[in-house]
Amino acid sequence: GDSVTQMEGPVTLSEEAFLTINCTYTATGYPSLFWYVQYPGEGLQLLLKATKADDKGSNKGFEATYRKETTSFHLEKGSVQVSDSAVYFCALSHGSSNTGKLIFGQGTTLQVKP
Amino acid sequence: DAGITQSPRYKITETGRQVTLMCHQTWSHSYMFWYRQDLGHGLRLIYYSAAADITDKGEVPDGYVVSRSKTENFPLTLESATRSQTSVYFCASSEFWTNTGELFFGEGSRLTVL
Repeated sequence: GDSVTQMEGPVTLSEEAFLTINCTYTATGYPSLFWYVQYPGEGLQLLLKATKADDKGSNKGFEATYRKETTSFHLEKGSVQVSDSAVYFCALSHGSSNTGKLIFGQGTTLQVKP
Repeated sequence: DAGITQSPRYKITETGRQVTLMCHQTWSHSYMFWYRQDLGHGLRLIYYSAAADITDKGEVPDGYVVSRSKTENFPLTLESATRSQTSVYFCASSEFWTNTGELFFGEGSRLTVL
């Protein structure tokens, strides 16, 4: 079945460091891909998305490119801030099934130190 | 306020007791979802609903019951709670799915089963 695999955390970085969180997926067809972020004590919120191969999603300085050839959707940010400390989830959906369901990875905790 | 609200936010119960987690959304979204979040597993779908009176199982439905008599409410009931159901539960909603979509999450309900 469909699945999403994220790099193990936690990831600890200093402020202004470069961030990469790896995400790979297994799916049939052409899923849409998402990154969600969960700040402490809150629910998840959409960070960015990409709906087809080679699309780049971006928001708040974060970027991710939908790579079908490597089945990847890695999250990157050039310069992280303490306020970026959160749990990041990669997810996919199958639009063709039209059920609205998302399949999530296990989440990667990011801690940014001043 | 508009949005999606869950109650209770925190609940401690004992094995064998019935527990109901409430979810209410004010957007009139068609789809609603219940996920559980566990360390190492990310978010796993329990049940979802495409509209009032239409529900379907997700990945981990055993031990849970849902209903959706009104579009805005989607309660989740644990009929006889077990320790393995200790988790953080998230309710989410979305508009009718096309090929992409964004889920809007509540703040979560932390359930502890003793």
